[in-house]
Amino acid sequence: KAGVTQTPRYLIKTRGQQVTLSCSPISGHRSVSWYQQTPGQGLQFLFEYFSETQRNKGNFPGRFSGRQFSNSRSEMNVSTLELGDSALYLCASSEGDGTNEQFFGPGTRLTVL
Amino acid sequence: AQSVAQPEDQVNVAEGNPLTVKCTYSVSGNPYLFWYVQYPNRGLQFLLKYITGDNLVKGSYGFEAEFNKSQTSFHLKKPSALVSDSALYFCAVRVYNQGGKLIFGQGTELSVKP
Repeated sequence: KAGVTQTPRYLIKTRGQQVTLSCSPISGHRSVSWYQQTPGQGLQFLFEYFSETQRNKGNFPGRFSGRQFSNSRSEMNVSTLELGDSALYLCASSEGDGTNEQFFGPGTRLTVL
Repeated sequence: AQSVAQPEDQVNVAEGNPLTVKCTYSVSGNPYLFWYVQYPNRGLQFLLKYITGDNLVKGSYGFEAEFNKSQTSFHLKKPSALVSDSALYFCAVRVYNQGGKLIFGQGTELSVKP
């Protein structure tokens, strides 16, 4: 099976712009989670989607949003970008049962100037 | 509150020696625990998990972890370290009753020298 893919791999934006990141999960996986990784805060949970519904949400402002499509592909959107949004954004997919391991994509490196 | 702690930012080991990367946790209910490894400019790779059963869990690349309920620990171990094991290691716990949400420790940088 193909692994989790994320596009684009690298992005450079300026403050105030918005950005959309895409994630294609492993075939058959219905759960997609998003995490933000920064040197200062480490890995932080953004949200999880399961069967097109947001199942969980982390402690991020409303500028961070996401959605999941019927084919389980997911997108996350960040509006009104701030310098502090610069990070590696990781997507992970799993079969959906919390006991299953999550499989991570390579990430999208977002730089906000 | 659910949390994970990795008390060591860095662990240095000589090749061929045993290695241990420490992890302690605090959860409500039964813990579901995971170890992941991250190589530079890569996503996280799953190593092993503890859900229930034997306290000693075996995983990928010769790694194993020991679940200790009384000490609320889940230390990662390998009998003989390789230079190629050098990477960033994360311990994670699944949040009870919150689907697939994982809480990660801050990570431990493992350096294996020849």
